[in-house]
Parts: sequence; structure tokens; C-alpha cells
Amino acid sequence: AQSVTQPDIHITVSEGASLELRCNYSYGATPYLFWYVQSPGQGLQLLLKYFSGDTLVQGIKGFEAEFKRSQSSFNLRKPSVHWSDAAEYFCAVGGTSYGKLTFGQGTILTVHP
Amino acid sequence: GAVVSQHPSRVICKSGTSVKIECRSLDFQATTMFWYRQFPKQSLMLMATSNEGSKATYEQGVEKDKFLINHASLTLSTLTVTSAHPEDSSFYICSARGIGTGVILDEKLFFGSGTQLSVL
Repeated sequence: AQSVTQPDIHITVSEGASLELRCNYSYGATPYLFWYVQSPGQGLQLLLKYFSGDTLVQGIKGFEAEFKRSQSSFNLRKPSVHWSDAAEYFCAVGGTSYGKLTFGQGTILTVHP
Repeated sequence: GAVVSQHPSRVICKSGTSVKIECRSLDFQATTMFWYRQFPKQSLMLMATSNEGSKATYEQGVEKDKFLINHASLTLSTLTVTSAHPEDSSFYICSARGIGTGVILDEKLFFGSGTQLSVL
């Protein structure tokens, strides 16, 4: 069965600092990997996704993620965090049944001025 | 970009009543829609998958008679929580999969804005 682990439940960074949110997955084949952001009471916005090809994926809002098959990881990064990035971030994995996603527990990001 | 409209955004109902949540794909045809549930401080859990014109497929542990899913058209899927109870209070969110040129990488997946259900 597929699973996703986001080890950090809550992360606090200062505005302008760099950010890395961790995601580890378990999947029997080549996975489709996603990062979503959710603001309070809102739906999900796709930040980026990985299907194949270049393992470093660029997304919206200055985010990027790197797929490392050997480590079963898909960590999300941003070089300089803005206060508006405060939200909850979900990593998700899907397979050939595209759209049927398994989500991690989420990481809440707090940004201090 | 493609948009999925989900209504209502928030609903409060009395225990024992039924609540219908709509999920519409506004500018694309959604052959498949997915319904997720998110309890407070937890992740999203897939409840069911619905394909247009056929019965929904429910995940293990989800009561199909309680959570009725209808996907009668390529742009609309509904989730009805029947005889709602306080333990059904949750954030429900749909996603819709649109088909591009038929190559899997062209398939698009979009989420609605979610519905916060509170059952008193």
C-alpha cells in the first residue's frame, strides 16, 4: 500500500529564511508526487508535481522540490520565505490511477516577521 | 486555468438531516471525481471515486449508504451525507480529473475549495 510521511508537523521560520519541508513516500512503482498548499478554510492549491524526467521540479510561488528515488523522498524547498507562505502543506503520492491520491499528515508553516 | 466549484462552502445542520454537497467542473469535462474528508488536524483521506455514469467506488471503511455519490454528468458530482451525525462533522473536498489529449501526462487534476460540515 502506498503511504506518505511528513515528519514535521509544525515548522516556524523567519521571513526571508530558507525553507525545506520533508516528505517521504512508500510506493511500489514509480510514483506521481505532488505538493499542495492549503490556507485555513480553503481548498488545495497545487504547488508542483513530479511525473518523470528531471528530478528537480519547479513550481509556483518560487517553490521547488527534488525527487530522490534512493531516499524515497520529495522534499519541498524555497530559498526565501514570505509571510504569505504561512499555510499548511501537504505532500501526496499517486499511481497509475491518476487522481487517487494518498496524502501525508501535513506540515503547518508559521512565518515570523 | 481550470476551475472546480464546490458548494456550499460551509453548512451547519441538525443531527438526522441530510446534506448535499456539489462539485462542478466549470470549464472542462471531468470523467472522474474524487471525494476526500479531512478531520481537524488530520490529513485528507479519500472516501470514494466516482466515474460519470457509473456507481462510485468507496474506500474501505466508508459507508456507501451514508455517503451517497452521484456523478450523472461530466461536469457535476454530488455527495449527500444522509442522516448526518456530529461525528460526520468534517471538511469535505472534491477533486476532478479532466482529460487532455489522452496521454496520461496531459491529465489534469483540480480541487474544489471544500465544504466545512458541522452537525449539531
